[in-house]
Amino acid sequence: AQSVTQLDSQVPVFEEAPVELRCNYSSSVSVYLFWYVQYPNQGLQLLLKYLSGSTLVESINGFEAEFNKSQTSFHLRKPSVHISDTAEYFCAVTVNGNQFYFGTGTSLTVIP
Amino acid sequence: DVKVTQSSRYLVKRTGEKVFLECVQDMDHENMFWYRQDPGLGLRLIYFSYDVKMKEKGDIPEGYSVSREKKERFSLILESASTNQTSMYLCASSSIGSVYEQYFGPGTRLTVT
Repeated sequence: AQSVTQLDSQVPVFEEAPVELRCNYSSSVSVYLFWYVQYPNQGLQLLLKYLSGSTLVESINGFEAEFNKSQTSFHLRKPSVHISDTAEYFCAVTVNGNQFYFGTGTSLTVIP
Repeated sequence: DVKVTQSSRYLVKRTGEKVFLECVQDMDHENMFWYRQDPGLGLRLIYFSYDVKMKEKGDIPEGYSVSREKKERFSLILESASTNQTSMYLCASSSIGSVYEQYFGPGTRLTVT
């Protein structure tokens, strides 16, 4: 079975500062990796995904994540955060697209 | 744009009532999912369906059942609601062709009193 660990439940950061949200997974087989974002009172939206190829993937709003197979990690980073990035972030893995495993989430709060 | 809609944003029910949560997607997706979201626990899969009339148990199916009579509609049923089923319920759908990307509805916050 697969599992996902998000090491930080809450991350406060000042506006325009860099941020890293950590995600580690465990699996005995190859996985597909995702980051989802949930803004207040909304459903989850896909932020970015790693399926194959380049280990560095980017989103349209400046986030990036790097797949590290040896570390079994898929950390999310942004060099300069905005107030609008305040949200809950979930890391997820799947092997076959049927069973998804989500982390417990990281609440990112950007402080003006 | 893909749209996943859920019948209610907020729902209050009494213990022992039968509760139906409806989910509809408009993109002809094969797969549909029901999750519950609780603080500190993240999302946990209740059931998923990969085709009409097909269903598979997720991690926490106890106390729930599902129905998928049409491709676009996936219903979650609480046969006899209990207070420990108070939660946020999220529906999602995905297509085999979109390489596993899930599209989520806005969620239904269910309170059982």
